[in-house]
Amino acid sequence: GNSVTQMEGPVTLSEEAFLTINCTYTATGYPSLFWYVQYPGEGLQLLLKATKADDKGSNKGFEATYRKETTSFHLEKGSVQVSDSAVYFCALNAGGTSYGKLTFGQGTILTVHP
Amino acid sequence: EAGVVQSPRYKIIEKKQPVAFWCNPISGHNTLYWYLQNLGQGPELLIRYENEEAVDDSQLPKDRFSAERLKGVDSTLKIQPAELGDSAVYLCASSLVGTGLNEQFFGPGTRLTVL
Repeated sequence: GNSVTQMEGPVTLSEEAFLTINCTYTATGYPSLFWYVQYPGEGLQLLLKATKADDKGSNKGFEATYRKETTSFHLEKGSVQVSDSAVYFCALNAGGTSYGKLTFGQGTILTVHP
Repeated sequence: EAGVVQSPRYKIIEKKQPVAFWCNPISGHNTLYWYLQNLGQGPELLIRYENEEAVDDSQLPKDRFSAERLKGVDSTLKIQPAELGDSAVYLCASSLVGTGLNEQFFGPGTRLTVL
C-alpha cells in the first residue's frame, strides 16, 4: 500500500538556521507529493506541491524536489524564522483508485527560537 | 472567501454517549473529506464524498460511525456510541475535483475528548 515516512521530531533550531525535514514515500504508479503545515490552533494548509519527477515545489522560502529515484521529497529552507514554528506533514496522492485520498506522514514538529 | 468551517471546535463527552460534528465546505467545492487525526499522527481518511455520494468509506468504522452530506453541501459525522479510543481531532476538508491537482483545503478540526 501507499505510505509516507517523515524524520522523527521534534526539530529545534535557532532563527536563521538551515532546515531539512526528510520525507520518503512508498506508492504504486506516479503519485503527487505535498507538504502541509499546521500552525497552532489552525487547520492544515498546503505549503507546496510537486506532480512529477524532478519537479521542485516552492513557497514562502521553502523548497522540495520530487526525487523518484530515491522516492523522496525532502523539505528545505535556507533561513528559518520564529514564525515557521509549526507541524509539517508530508503527503501523497496516489491517483487512480485512490484519487482524492491523501496519505500523510506522522508529522514533524518544528520549533524555532529567537 | 470563507474557508472550511467546522463546529464545534471542542467537545467533551462521556463514553457511550453520541456525538456529531458538522462541516461546511468552501462554496462550490464538490468533494468533501472527513479525516481522523490521532495525537502525534498524520490525518487518516475516513470518508470521501463527491457531491452527495460517498465514493470512499472503506476506513469508516460503520458499526459506530455514520456520515451524511445532504444536498451535496454541508456534512455531518456522527459517532454512536463513543468509545475512549475515539478521542482525536476530526478534520473536514473540501476540494474542487476536476481541476487537475485536487488541492484539499482543511478546516480547523473538532477536538473530541471521550471520558
